[in-house]
Amino acid sequence: DQQVKQNSPSLSVQEGRISILNCDYTNSMFDYFLWYKKYPAEGPTFLISISSIKDKNEDGRFTVFLNKSAKHLSLHIVPSQPGDSAVYFCAASDRGGSNYKLTFGKGTLLTVNP
Amino acid sequence: NAGVMQNPRHLVRRRGQEARLRCSPMKGHSHVYWYRQLPEEGLKFMVYLQKENIIDESGMPKERFSAEFPKEGPSILRIQQVVRGDSAAYFCASSGEDRSSDIQYFGAGTRLSVL
Repeated sequence: DQQVKQNSPSLSVQEGRISILNCDYTNSMFDYFLWYKKYPAEGPTFLISISSIKDKNEDGRFTVFLNKSAKHLSLHIVPSQPGDSAVYFCAASDRGGSNYKLTFGKGTLLTVNP
Repeated sequence: NAGVMQNPRHLVRRRGQEARLRCSPMKGHSHVYWYRQLPEEGLKFMVYLQKENIIDESGMPKERFSAEFPKEGPSILRIQQVVRGDSAAYFCASSGEDRSSDIQYFGAGTRLSVL
């Protein structure tokens, strides 16, 4: 049972345009969401997070939107840069239940073309 | 300020041998998590430890796998009698005491290959 789903295995965008990565979840107990970026042969690097009490969080070029009723979140990268090319993982946890383990999606490979 | 350190980066074992993976958390962090990533998959939670305590081992296989985080020294993930299906990337993450901003920071991983 996959509780966090990233339905697009890959995404290709032009440099300077917007990248939108999507994530859906099924567990209504999840109350904290994170996005990680991962390069080959490296560990995941934290990008941005959002608590379920918010619907938007912004940090520089990265914005995460949360739609609790739809159990959907998205990561927007504007403008996209070639260095953003990596695998992006969505992750969720149930902090209210003191359940801090992260449940990850399978990832989306983003390619930003110069 | 060093990040999460994992060693070795690559580990090759023959079937039946033991594998020991080490993780030193970020300075000041006392929460350690282990995850496993199979090819083409996301990371899967294995175990969550604090110093000298296992908090959540719901993702650990029931046999051959064990983890510890002693009072002194790194956290160890131990796999006994490895099989080919254990081949994967194993990532360790750590977090600090402030649970209100519970971000887990990851190491570079140990890639285990079982021949």
